[in-house]
Amino acid sequence: SQQGEEDPQALSIQEGENATMNCSYKTSINNLQWYRQNSGRGLVHLILIRSNEREKHSGRLRVTLDTSKKSSSLLITASRAADTASYFCATDEQGAQKLVFGQGTRLTINP
Amino acid sequence: DAGITQSPRHKVTETGTPVTLRCHQTENHRYMYWYRQDPGHGLRLIHYSYGVKDTDKGEVSDGYSVSRSKTEDFLLTLESATSSQTSVYFCATKPPTVTMNTEAFFGQGTRLTVV
Repeated sequence: SQQGEEDPQALSIQEGENATMNCSYKTSINNLQWYRQNSGRGLVHLILIRSNEREKHSGRLRVTLDTSKKSSSLLITASRAADTASYFCATDEQGAQKLVFGQGTRLTINP
Repeated sequence: DAGITQSPRHKVTETGTPVTLRCHQTENHRYMYWYRQDPGHGLRLIHYSYGVKDTDKGEVSDGYSVSRSKTEDFLLTLESATSSQTSVYFCATKPPTVTMNTEAFFGQGTRLTVV
C-alpha cells in the first residue's frame, strides 16, 4: 500500500476561506513534501519540511509535521480560484531515497 | 523547470506488444523515478534509480522493467503491455544533497493507452 494517505480526498470551499489537507504515513522519513498538480499537468513542488522541523511557512502555505503521529497537514490561507488543483504529500523514506506519494486531495475553490 | 523530457507524450499500443518510455534529464540529477497515475490511486512508484545501473523496485513493479545506462536517461519498459497498464506515466528526478533533503522535479507525463 502507499506510504501517504491523504484526507479528505476532495474538498470544495469558497474563495477567501482556508483549506486544510492532512497526510498520514507509515515509516521513518528524512522529510515530507507537498506538491500541486493542475489538471493534466506534471507535479510542482510546493514545500518541504524536514523530519526535525515541526512547522514551516511559505507565503500562504503552512505545513506542520508530527513525527510521533506520523502525520502532516497543509493549510492554504485566503484561498483563490487559482488554487484549484490536486495536492499530494510525498515522503522521502529514511535510508532509501524513495519518494512515495499519497493519493492526493482534489481542492476546488468556488468564486 | 528542470530539464526533464518524457517521450513519447502520447502512445496507443496493442495488448501484448512491448513498449518503452524514455525519460531524459539535463540536470545531472542522481536519482530518477517512474510513477504511474490512475484515478483514485494518486501516484504509485514503479521503479527508481539511485545511480547508473543502480535501480530498485517500487510498489507496483510487476510487468515493468527499467534500465539506466547513463545518468541522463531512465527507460521504462513494458515487456508485454496489458490493458491494466493504461495510465499516465510520470518521470521525476532528484539531485543528491548531503542532508538528503531536496525536492523532486517532474516531467510532463506520458499518456499510454493499451487497447
